[in-house]
Amino acid sequence: EAQLAESGGGLIQPGGSLRLSCVASEFSISTNSMSWVRQAPGKGLEWVSSINSGGPNVGNTDYADFVKGRFFISRDKSKNTLYLQMNSLRADDTAVYYCARGNYYMDVWGKGTTVIVSS
Amino acid sequence: EIVMTQSPATLAVSPGERAALSCRASQSVSINFAWYQQKPGQAPRLLIYGASTRATGIPARFSGSGSGTEFTLTISSLQSEDFAVYFCQQYNNWPLTFGGGTKVEI
Repeated sequence: EAQLAESGGGLIQPGGSLRLSCVASEFSISTNSMSWVRQAPGKGLEWVSSINSGGPNVGNTDYADFVKGRFFISRDKSKNTLYLQMNSLRADDTAVYYCARGNYYMDVWGKGTTVIVSS
Repeated sequence: EIVMTQSPATLAVSPGERAALSCRASQSVSINFAWYQQKPGQAPRLLIYGASTRATGIPARFSGSGSGTEFTLTISSLQSEDFAVYFCQQYNNWPLTFGGGTKVEI
């Protein structure tokens, strides 16, 4: 069964940086597009970023406007791991961050990792 | 950005009853549309994609319909495990956008 496991969340001061990791098992992130989606406390789902896999756009990335220039998605195929580098964190970045398989609909989700931005 | 609006925000139903959840897109998304279920403390689970195709392992009591701007998720006979929050999502245009959710409660 395909699974995803996120890590790297925590309490961070405004302006700080964090790197989230997401390890995939039972499937390869090399041949699948991947995404990060977040959920602020008590709120709905919010797409953050995606990275393509396959075709002429291998490795193309997309970002929501609210993280563009601050967050960066990447992957290490040898470790079958997806990353989200988050810089210049703000209080409104506080959320559970999920990684998910797919960059259209998302069919496999991790349990999420919590990021709290607070002084 | 395409805005997804779900209604109602809360739906009170009894086990065994039928539930119909709605989602409206601010512009056409064709059938590039999905439904997810989320239970408290859990990750979302894909129910429906392509507006009407059930994801792997999803029971037949869940069905999706619609195209363009109007979509419906129908749960034919609610089971206790179906009480949850349901989100819609469009993937026709970037950025990907989700609805605000419908909470199905007893």
